[in-house]
Amino acid sequence: DQQVKQNSPSLSVQEGRISILNCDYTNSMFDYFLWYKKYPAEGPTFLISISSIKDKNEDGRFTVFLNKSAKHLSLHIVPSQPGDSAVYFCAASRGQLRQGGSEKLVFGKGTKLTVNP
Amino acid sequence: DTGVSQNPRHKITKRGQNVTFRCDPISEHNRLYWYRQTLGQGPEFLTYFQNEAQLEKSRLLSDRFSAERPKGSFSTLEIQRTEQGDSAMYLCASSRSGVLGGQYFGPGTRLTVT
Repeated sequence: DQQVKQNSPSLSVQEGRISILNCDYTNSMFDYFLWYKKYPAEGPTFLISISSIKDKNEDGRFTVFLNKSAKHLSLHIVPSQPGDSAVYFCAASRGQLRQGGSEKLVFGKGTKLTVNP
Repeated sequence: DTGVSQNPRHKITKRGQNVTFRCDPISEHNRLYWYRQTLGQGPEFLTYFQNEAQLEKSRLLSDRFSAERPKGSFSTLEIQRTEQGDSAMYLCASSRSGVLGGQYFGPGTRLTVT
């Protein structure tokens, strides 16, 4: 049972344009969401996170939007650069350890982003 | 560089052999996680520690798998009697307390069981 779904295996955009990566989840107990990017032969790199009490979080060129009612989140990259070409993973967690939750991350299968010069 | 390190980076072993991997987390991080990733999939959670205490284990972690973090610093993951289905990238991550700050991953150990 895939609790975190990234339905687009790949996405191609032009340099300078916006990249929008989507993620859906099924478990309503998830309350923290994270995005990672991964280059070949490297471990995933943490990009940005959001708590379920917010609907938007921004960090430089990266913005994550959360729609709890739709169980959907998206990562916007503006403007896209060729160095952003990587596999992007969405991940979710059921909460903080001190609140009796679990800090393990449940990942989607990833979306391969290609930014063309 | 004081990131998460993992050794070895690659391991080829014959079916039935035992293997052990090591992870050295970022020094001030008290949480340490193990994940496994196969081709075309995202990382799958195996287990995690807070200091030396193992707090959670996945159903994926059969009795052939054992993980330790003896002094709350580095961790080892051992697989006994390896099977071809164990071939994967084994990723280690560490974090301070809390989820929103992210887990910081090492480069992984690629295991190939022949």
